Amino acid sequence: EIVLTQSPGTLSLSPGERATLSCRASQSVSSSYLAWYQQKPGQAPRLLIYGASSRATGIPDRFSGSGSGTDFTLTISRLEPEDFAVYYCQQYGSSPQYTFGQGTKLEIK
Amino acid sequence: QVQLVQSGAEVKKPGASVKVSCKASGYTFTSYGISWVRQAPGQGLEWMGWISAYNGNTNYAQKLQGRVTMTTDTSTSTAYMELRSLRSDDTAVYYCARDLGSLGYWGQGTLVTVSS
Repeated sequence: EIVLTQSPGTLSLSPGERATLSCRASQSVSSSYLAWYQQKPGQAPRLLIYGASSRATGIPDRFSGSGSGTDFTLTISRLEPEDFAVYYCQQYGSSPQYTFGQGTKLEIK
Repeated sequence: QVQLVQSGAEVKKPGASVKVSCKASGYTFTSYGISWVRQAPGQGLEWMGWISAYNGNTNYAQKLQGRVTMTTDTSTSTAYMELRSLRSDDTAVYYCARDLGSLGYWGQGTLVTVSS
């Protein structure tokens, strides 16, 4: 099973700042089958990025994904108030045996 | 528009079973799989398994093998997830999601509470 480790566990930033979230896999994720999700309290997760770097429909371009192999990054270029949430990475390279990272909480500083 | 509508909250006793439904609309049901994901209170996301709505093939997370069964009814575009021998640590919100590898559309979640 591929284990995903996200860092940091909590990230404290102010609106307007840049956020960089990391997701590291225990083995290579084939074909960059890596997705990122945003989850707000009481809501279902929302797909942000798939294929490591492709934005899902309707996702603002301040969200970007990068990486390959075992190291992946989600970047939010300029934080808006609505971006403060928990973010999860998911690998679907070993389909269909998926795994999620443990999450990064992005909080207002 | 794509929608996944799940059944309502359940309260079960330890050892019982629960069956959660997920009714899809707005797309061709048999063209996608359905994954089930759960989230215990205050915890992260846990993938439970996947079912092909095309042919019913399934793949379950190893830790749930033997306790979970996923099925579909293509006549009503509905997916089902049954979990047996419930324990207190099965208390969670259970989500269905349309599966294209990434999970682009999610149901609203179903809270299952296991308590004596």
